[in-house]
Amino acid sequence: DQQVKQNSPSLSVQEGRISILNCDYTNSMFDYFLWYKKYPAEGPTFLISISSIKDKNEDGRFTVFLNKSAKHLSLHIVPSQPGDSAVYFCARANAGGTSYGKLTFGQGTILTVHP
Amino acid sequence: DAGVIQSPRHEVTEMGQEVTLRCKPISGHNSLFWYRQTMMRGLELLIYFNNNVPIDDSGMPEDRFSAKMPNASFSTLKIQPSEPRDSAVYFCASRRQGLTSPLHFGNGTRLTVT
Repeated sequence: DQQVKQNSPSLSVQEGRISILNCDYTNSMFDYFLWYKKYPAEGPTFLISISSIKDKNEDGRFTVFLNKSAKHLSLHIVPSQPGDSAVYFCARANAGGTSYGKLTFGQGTILTVHP
Repeated sequence: DAGVIQSPRHEVTEMGQEVTLRCKPISGHNSLFWYRQTMMRGLELLIYFNNNVPIDDSGMPEDRFSAKMPNASFSTLKIQPSEPRDSAVYFCASRRQGLTSPLHFGNGTRLTVT
């Protein structure tokens, strides 16, 4: 079973500091990883992604790191802003087999950024 | 771009009733996904379609759940009969076919079964 796990249900950070959200996965070779952000009463929205051939991808304040040996993914937000307060989901898109393109999500981490 | 449109936004029904959730994907998108969000399990994938064909329905909880995609612009998720444990927010999402295409979500249907 190919799983994606976010072991921290919540994270609280002071405005201006760094937020680090973590994700672990199993049984992946060439999959594609994504982060989504969700506000209450809305659907998740795409934030940033990374291919398994890379170990880092950066977009403004958001950087995703991929550690393939540890099967670990992290999202760094710096500096954190109150508007970043939301639920963050990591996700994996299957790159092979009969379930090519299947997108599975972790349980989510609630980020709260205090002014 | 109108985005993914789901209806209804809220549905309250009694146990045993049939529930039908509807989704209109973004035009030009040929992959469609149905997810269920609960506090305990996060975002669970129920089923997804490529070019209107179901590819993986291993996440569908049981035979009470069924999903159809009769054409590229419409999909339904039906629960018959509904049970209180089906209460959750159900999301539909679509994307262009391809691993790197991001998924676009609707705003979800909040289902309450009493």
